[in-house]
Amino acid sequence: AQKITQTQPGMFVQEKEAVTLDCTYDTSDPSYGLFWYKQPSSGEMIFLIYQGSYDQQNATEGRYSLNFQKARKSANLVISASQLGDSAMYFCAMRVLGEFYFGTGTSLTVIP
Amino acid sequence: SAVISQKPSRDICQRGTSLTIQCQVDSQVTMMFWYRQQPGQSLTLIATANQGSEATYESGFVIDKFPISRPNLTFSTLTVSNMSPEDSSIYLCSSLGNNEQFFGPGTRLTVL
Repeated sequence: AQKITQTQPGMFVQEKEAVTLDCTYDTSDPSYGLFWYKQPSSGEMIFLIYQGSYDQQNATEGRYSLNFQKARKSANLVISASQLGDSAMYFCAMRVLGEFYFGTGTSLTVIP
Repeated sequence: SAVISQKPSRDICQRGTSLTIQCQVDSQVTMMFWYRQQPGQSLTLIATANQGSEATYESGFVIDKFPISRPNLTFSTLTVSNMSPEDSSIYLCSSLGNNEQFFGPGTRLTVL
């Protein structure tokens, strides 16, 4: 069975510091994709970063990077130089066999 | 990347009434989905909107309660029928790209 887990319901980080949001996944299919989304209080889902299961290098997009550890089945999101606007819910998701599975989310609060 | 718009962005409705949410994509897409996000929860897939045929519903969701139309490759509607306060949620339209799932801005529904 496919599963995706976010164990941190809430996180705090000081402005300008880096923060890591945890995500673990479980699938027996060798081909899958991992996604991170940001959901501010307005409710929209904003795509941040993607990692394919066969990608050799960790994905990076600006201040976002994905720490992909395939053997551990983890896909943690690292946000560097946190900004106040980063305060939001963050969802990890996995796409496998055409289906999407979402984690329960982590609420990130950036403290000035 | 696809741009998705939804109407209305929010609504407050009386129980027993119905609301139709519209989703417009700026390019033709094969796959369109409808998600529900109840307060403080993650996303739950309601159904896949199929062009030219009936939608494919996930377990726990039925056509009588959530009728869906998909008249062409850029447009879909979701109706929330005979609403109750438990239907208060954000409803999100989504489509698939190559390595990305795009979301509309969501419709925030409150049922009194």
